[in-house]
Amino acid sequence: EPEVTQTPSHQVTQMGQEVILRCVPISNHLYFYWYRQILGQKVEFLVSFYNNEISEKSEIFDDQFSVERPDGSNFTLKIRSTKLEDSAMYFCASILTSSNSPLHFGNGTRLTVT
Amino acid sequence: QKEVEQNSGPLSVPEGAIASLNCTYSDRGSQSFFWYRQYSGKSPELIMSIYSNGDKEDGRFTAQLNKASQYVSLLIRDSQPSDSATYLCAVNNMGNQFYFGTGTSLTVIP
Repeated sequence: EPEVTQTPSHQVTQMGQEVILRCVPISNHLYFYWYRQILGQKVEFLVSFYNNEISEKSEIFDDQFSVERPDGSNFTLKIRSTKLEDSAMYFCASILTSSNSPLHFGNGTRLTVT
Repeated sequence: QKEVEQNSGPLSVPEGAIASLNCTYSDRGSQSFFWYRQYSGKSPELIMSIYSNGDKEDGRFTAQLNKASQYVSLLIRDSQPSDSATYLCAVNNMGNQFYFGTGTSLTVIP
């Protein structure tokens, strides 16, 4: 069964550094998402992406964040200047076109900012 | 603001019992409803999806939807220790936006 893949599984960075989290969505999916989950808290929406542009973003997704689909397969989340509070699990997800399609999640990247 | 509410638990049931998990949502325009299971440190895994009022059964799992009451539930029959996890309710509106509840922590006691 096709799956969403994310790399790396764990990223440790120092405060103020830039990080790029990578995702390869399922190949025939058209909508891509990034979610964040701080330890012990709920899954929080960051951004959705369709047709090579952001379709929606949350208040969390401020100017420090950006997303890109540099080629036909990768979908990246960049955090320009990491803060301690950015430490969380970051999940990439994708869906087919229909609004009835469930989200398919990757295994996540655990980001630790020191 | 679109809200999805779940009792955070923890919910404890003995092995073999029925676990009942509940979720309410605020947006009457919601179209699709999903239950995900999340083990600690892992990503959410889809268990059930439901789109119309009534019950939907899949093995030991039954999802129930009542759009008039804005309520969706998940029943787990013959609960097993491996069912111990956090269960997330997710709701989707027409804009392909998904909203998650905080999750209910379930422990199945052997």
